[in-house]
Order: sequence, then structure tokens, then C-alpha cells
Amino acid sequence: KNEVEQSPQNLTAQEGEFITINCSYSVGISALHWLQQHPGGGIVSLFMLSSGKKKHGRLIATINIQEKHSSLHITASHPRDSAVYICAGRETSGSRLTFGEGTQLTVNP
Amino acid sequence: DTEVTQTPKHLVMGMTNKKSLKCEQHMGHRAMYWYKQKAKKPPELMFVYSYEKLSINESVPSRFSPECPNSSLLNLHLHALQPEDSALYLCASSQVGPAGITEAFFGQGTRLTVV
Repeated sequence: KNEVEQSPQNLTAQEGEFITINCSYSVGISALHWLQQHPGGGIVSLFMLSSGKKKHGRLIATINIQEKHSSLHITASHPRDSAVYICAGRETSGSRLTFGEGTQLTVNP
Repeated sequence: DTEVTQTPKHLVMGMTNKKSLKCEQHMGHRAMYWYKQKAKKPPELMFVYSYEKLSINESVPSRFSPECPNSSLLNLHLHALQPEDSALYLCASSQVGPAGITEAFFGQGTRLTVV
């Protein structure tokens, strides 16, 4: 059974801080999604990674395939970054996503 | 256009009603998904359509009936639901290519309340 473990579960930061959210995954997962969900709302896809690093604005995602670990970094955090961040692993052999439990991020002004 | 559009945004229905949720994408994606999400939990996969054919049904009760009339549309027909079916229903789509499934794009969801 594919597994995705995410940490921390909750994270509170002050505006401007550098934030890191971590995700570990099991064998059988070939790519990682990082997703963002605001309260009451739909899910926004931030990145899909199968190797290396991707950057979009203040967001950076990295993946280490050997260690089966991925991180999402937010630089110069802002209160509008407050949301739930979810990592989800794409199974190697099919179309299922295995979701982590999510990280509730709160950025205070 | 990287948008997946779901309608309605909110739906309240009685246990004897029949209603449908709709999902539309114009990205040319050939895989479409229905997920159910309860509060403070990750989404749970319900159905996957690949090239307009049902490829995965995660043992979903028959009161949920999916339909994929064409490559851009995905419906979820609801009948005789229970209050515990109240949740956020999310649609997603992704491309199917030589390297497998690509990045998934999600809709805003339909907030369903069964009374």
C-alpha cells in the first residue's frame, strides 16, 4: 500500500519567515504533487515533481528520489499564504493519488 | 486555460431527491476524477475515467452514479443519499501521455449537504 507522510501537521509563522513543509513517501510512488487548499475551497495544484527542484514565485519544491522525500518551501511568507498544504503521491503504475494528511499553515501579520 | 469548473458550488438536497454534479474542463485532459472530502481530511478517490471509460470505482455505493458523456464533461448523479454523504465533492483532470499521468488540476468543489 502506498503511503505519504507529511509534517508538521500544524505550522504557525510570522509574516516574512521562511517556511518548510516536509513529505516522505513509500516505494510505488513516482511523482509528488504539492497542493494548496484555502478554507471552504477547492484545491490548487502548486507543483508536480518527479525529480529535482521547481520554483514559482516565492514557492520552491524539491524532491530527493533516493531518500523518497520532498519539501515545499515558502520564502517571505505572507498572511495570504495561510492555507492547508497537501502533498500527494502519484502511483507509479496508475492514476491514483495517495494524499498526506495536510499541513495547516497560519501566517500572522 | 487551466481551469476545471464545477457546478453547482453549493447544493442542499433531501434524502429522496435526485441531483447531479457537473464538472467541465477544456484542457484536452483524458483522465477525470471524482473525490469526496470530509472536513479536515484529505480527499478520497471515488471514480476515475480514462478516455471516457470508467477505469476505477473505489467501491462507491450505487447511490453515486458517475457519467462521462464526452472528453470534457464529467457528471456525478446522486440519488437517495444519506446525511453522512454531506461533504465537499471535488473533480479533477489530468493528461494521459507516454510518460503516464501528468499534473492533476482540481475544481473548486461542490459543497453538498444532505438533509
